[in-house]
Amino acid sequence: GEDVEQSLFLSVREGDSSVINCTYTDSSSTYLYWYKQEPGAGLQLLTYIFSNMDMKQDQRLTVLLNKKDKHLSLRIADTQTGDSAIYFCAESMGLTGGGNKLTFGTGTQLKVEL
Amino acid sequence: DVKVTQSSRYLVKRTGEKVFLECVQDMDHENMFWYRQDPGLGLRLIYFSYDVKMKEKGDIPEGYSVSREKKERFSLILESASTNQTSMYLCASSSYGPLGSYEQYFGPGTRLTVT
Repeated sequence: GEDVEQSLFLSVREGDSSVINCTYTDSSSTYLYWYKQEPGAGLQLLTYIFSNMDMKQDQRLTVLLNKKDKHLSLRIADTQTGDSAIYFCAESMGLTGGGNKLTFGTGTQLKVEL
Repeated sequence: DVKVTQSSRYLVKRTGEKVFLECVQDMDHENMFWYRQDPGLGLRLIYFSYDVKMKEKGDIPEGYSVSREKKERFSLILESASTNQTSMYLCASSSYGPLGSYEQYFGPGTRLTVT
């Protein structure tokens, strides 16, 4: 079955880079996603990467994908206090009726210290 | 902007009560989902629906049922609430984004406490 794993906590200093790691199991996933959840809120899509890419950059965010090892990472450059949140990686699989189902990791709580 | 709303942010119910959680989306999305979120376990899929009156079990459907009578509304029902259903419940709807990516849009969540 699907299993997406992440470490539970990460603490960094403001201005440093943060790297959040994720391993997934479904090699047929077409897209892999990073979602952010701020306190008291639902999840918000941050970025995604197509499975035939190995890197995607979007402003301060860099996603790296190692398909051979089924390893996904999210790097946040110049981490700010506003980046403190829970970050979820997710892999997708198709539904019989159409659309996709996402399997989420356990989430990584990022704490940014001054 | 896509909007997914949930009927309550906080709910307190007694053991054995029937509980309804409502979710409404305003973007004409076919697919809708109910998850529960627990610390250290991430999001777990309870049920999903890919069309009106269609429903599919997710990974943890026991103790729950759903209803989708209209495209924009997806309800989660706890037939007889139990303390182990105390959790944060998140609703989502989905569409395809640019280049075939798949995006789920989440509501703010309902924190349910069963006493």
